[in-house]
Amino acid sequence: EDKVVQSPLSLVVHEGDTVTLNCSYEVTNFRSLLWYKQEKKAPTFLFMLTSSGIEKKSGRLSSILDKKELFSILNITATQTGDSAVYLCAVESRDDKIIFGKGTRLHILP
Amino acid sequence: DAGVIQSPRHEVTEMGQEVTLRCKPISGHNSLFWYRQTMMRGLELLIYFNNNVPIDDSGMPEDRFSAKMPNASFSTLKIQPSEPRDSAVYFCASSKMPGAPLLFGPGTRLTVT
Repeated sequence: EDKVVQSPLSLVVHEGDTVTLNCSYEVTNFRSLLWYKQEKKAPTFLFMLTSSGIEKKSGRLSSILDKKELFSILNITATQTGDSAVYLCAVESRDDKIIFGKGTRLHILP
Repeated sequence: DAGVIQSPRHEVTEMGQEVTLRCKPISGHNSLFWYRQTMMRGLELLIYFNNNVPIDDSGMPEDRFSAKMPNASFSTLKIQPSEPRDSAVYFCASSKMPGAPLLFGPGTRLTVT
């Protein structure tokens, strides 16, 4: 059965810290891995990764995929209180199914 | 573009009643997904469509749940009869094609008493 496991489940850090969120997966016929940010509303798209070792970057957020070890990390540097959210990892298989992990709840203390 | 549109945004109903949730995907998007989100179980995939055709409904919890996509701009998720354990936020999401990122609607918060 396909699955996505995220760790840690929750994380509390101080503003300015750097955090690393983890996502491991088992999926038949992998196509892509996606990261989303969810505040109080719907998830919003951050990154899509399809190739190993190529970093995707957007401001203070970056992500990389390792298709051999079946995991991805999401890094956030110089965290701000506005980064507080649930971060969701999802995996798409070649039959077009997209399944999500349970998320990492990140809280940034001022 | 208006984004994915869902209605109603909130629904409170009594156990045993029929509930219909509606979704209008982004124009030009050919893939549509229905998810259910709870604190305990996270985001669960219920069913997804490509070009209006249901591809995989193995996530639909039981026969009380059904989904249709009669055309490219409209989909419904129906629960009949509803039960308290169906209480959750139901999200609809669409993408241009398989392999493109999913964009989510605002969700419908369903409470069954």
